[in-house]
Amino acid sequence: RKEVEQDPGPFNVPEGATVAFNCTYSNSASQSFFWYRQDCRKEPKLLMSVYSSGNEDGRFTAQLNRASQYISLLIRDSKLSDSATYLCVVNPPGANNLFFGTGTRLTVIP
Amino acid sequence: DAGVIQSPRHEVTEMGQEVTLRCKPISGHDYLFWYRQTMMRGLELLIYFNNNVPIDDSGMPEDRFSAKMPNASFSTLKIQPSEPRDSAVYFCASSSVYEQYFGPGTRLTVT
Repeated sequence: RKEVEQDPGPFNVPEGATVAFNCTYSNSASQSFFWYRQDCRKEPKLLMSVYSSGNEDGRFTAQLNRASQYISLLIRDSKLSDSATYLCVVNPPGANNLFFGTGTRLTVIP
Repeated sequence: DAGVIQSPRHEVTEMGQEVTLRCKPISGHDYLFWYRQTMMRGLELLIYFNNNVPIDDSGMPEDRFSAKMPNASFSTLKIQPSEPRDSAVYFCASSSVYEQYFGPGTRLTVT
């Protein structure tokens, strides 16, 4: 079983729509969680960390459900510039490396 | 503030040749990571260092791959001999805690 699993998409949504991505992780002892964004032919960049209490950054909301071992990312009022691949990332217990999901591709359509 | 620097940005080489990829991490970061990304397999961790010491190299695909970190500001990933299936984008990333910052990557094509 993979450490992190995501629906690869693609998700094609109109501007202004709300879209949500989920991912699941296999190790229940994982401590830290992140969402990274990767634009076409660019490097991954940290979008936001995911805290147990949930956190919001503008139009983006991240949630963690430890009981079900899943992480979500909600994007409200989608913009064309949100088109990218969103990577779910988990830090395994006792280590400083990260496990990356394969990413969910989002295209926002005018 | 300079981010992670990688060179070269693009490399095209023939099968059997040696390839050396270079990385300069963000100053003050004590972790350095090498990844490979392909469409089929996504982002794969090859090896990572802490304070210049290799911690986990279980992702290195074969003995043809080797990585070094002679000091805190420089690392290399070497492939010798290269094969067409090594074609991918190779990223270097650095961190001080968990949040990793990636370099722009080296796009390697082996013909």
